[in-house]
Amino acid sequence: QKEVEQDPGPLSVPEGAIVSLNCTYSNSAFQYFMWYRQYSRKGPELLMYTYSSGNKEDGRFTAQVDKSSKYISLFIRDSQPSDSATYLCAVPPPFTGTASKLTFGTGTRLQVTL
Amino acid sequence: DTGVSQNPRHKITKRGQNVTFRCDPISEHNRLYWYRQTLGQGPEFLTYFQNEAQLEKSRLLSDRFSAERPKGSFSTLEIQRTEQGDSAMYLCASSWAGASGNTIYFGEGSWLTVV
Repeated sequence: QKEVEQDPGPLSVPEGAIVSLNCTYSNSAFQYFMWYRQYSRKGPELLMYTYSSGNKEDGRFTAQVDKSSKYISLFIRDSQPSDSATYLCAVPPPFTGTASKLTFGTGTRLQVTL
Repeated sequence: DTGVSQNPRHKITKRGQNVTFRCDPISEHNRLYWYRQTLGQGPEFLTYFQNEAQLEKSRLLSDRFSAERPKGSFSTLEIQRTEQGDSAMYLCASSWAGASGNTIYFGEGSWLTVV
C-alpha cells in the first residue's frame, strides 16, 4: 500500500466552482500534511500545510485533515482559471517536522474553464 | 535571494551517455534534496544532504546515479550510462532544518530526455 494515495483526475470545473481535492494516507503517525501546487513544467510550490487534525484557511484555500479516517482535503472556493494546475498532497516522516523529505501523492490535475 | 536554481533546465542525450545536473539551493539552507518526477506521477525522493553529508538514499537511486554536495552549498547529480527509463524531470529542493515551521522549496526542475 502506498503511503499517500491521490486520485489523478483530471478534474474539470467551471470558473467560480468549489473544488474538492482529496488524499488518503496509510500511516496514522503522520503529523503534518502539505499541499503543493505545480504548474505545467514547473517545480512544486507550497500552498499550505496543517498539523494534526482540523482545518486551516488561507484566502480561497482551506485544508482539512480527518485523522480518524486518514483523509486529507483541499478546498478551493471561487475557482479561477489561474488555479489550473496539478495539486499534490505530501507528508514528511513522523516526528521530523516540516523541513524533511516528503512523500507525495500522484497529484490531481485540475482544469478550471471559463 | 532568487530561490533554488537548477541547471541545465533541459537536456537531451543519447542512451549510454553521462549527464550531470547542478543545483544551487537557497543560500542559508542546510538541507538539499533530489527528487525525480515522471509524467502523471508525483515527485519521488532520491536522496538528501544535510550540509555536505549524504544522509539518505532511496532504493530508486541505482549505482548509475551519484550525488555530491562537496562544500555543503551546491550539489550535482550525475547519471552514468543513461537509459531511456531515466527520462524524467529531476527536481532539487532545499530547506533549513533548524527551526519549526520551515518548509521545503523546490527548483524549477531539470528535464532529461534520453533518446
